[in-house]
Amino acid sequence: GAGVSQSPRYKVAKRGQDVALRCDPISGHVSLFWYQQALGQGPEFLTYFQNEAQLDKSGLPSDRFFAERPEGSVSTLKIQRTQQEDSAVYLCASSTHEGQETQYFGPGTRLLVL
Amino acid sequence: GENVEQHPSTLSVQEGDSAVIKCTYSDSASNYFPWYKQELGKGPQLIIDIRSNVGEKKDQRIAVTLNKTAKHFSLHITETQPEDSAVYFCAASKGGYQKVTFGIGTKLQVIP
Repeated sequence: GAGVSQSPRYKVAKRGQDVALRCDPISGHVSLFWYQQALGQGPEFLTYFQNEAQLDKSGLPSDRFFAERPEGSVSTLKIQRTQQEDSAVYLCASSTHEGQETQYFGPGTRLLVL
Repeated sequence: GENVEQHPSTLSVQEGDSAVIKCTYSDSASNYFPWYKQELGKGPQLIIDIRSNVGEKKDQRIAVTLNKTAKHFSLHITETQPEDSAVYFCAASKGGYQKVTFGIGTKLQVIP
């Protein structure tokens, strides 16, 4: 079946612009995660949803970052007033339910803020 | 919070040789340790994982070992092939909703 998909794959934004990144998890997956991966680094946790509930947003770096999953399926990560340090790959992952199950990652959105 | 350290950061091996990547974690409550392979322009892909109730797991050419007492775990790839070239990440989780903490990654190059 289809894996996790993300769009756009690449995004160039001018500093100060708002951006919205979309994640389509694997159908039926309850858990959804967002990670930020800086160049040459491992992914770092941003936020977690169980269905439509955002249960952990401790990794969001500032109040400019906002995520939602209103119907418990598709999720959007929004970054307001982008800054150069926001440049990174944003990865989405989903898993079947809470517990020790595999996280399946999407290809990521590469964001470049000029 | 959890801290995962990984080394080496780069590793070059001749095709057919073995490759070993080592990681340590800080939080003794962590009980799930996945390993991911990331190819250029792609998201991480799980290649093997191990839970804290076992000390070793093997899947064809890939094996992982876990030492809970020392809080370290390792990935072993035998008979390496050029298609094994990628960045490998170790990670640790305390289960529950599975917030995963990743290491910095090891860039593996297999030389034909």
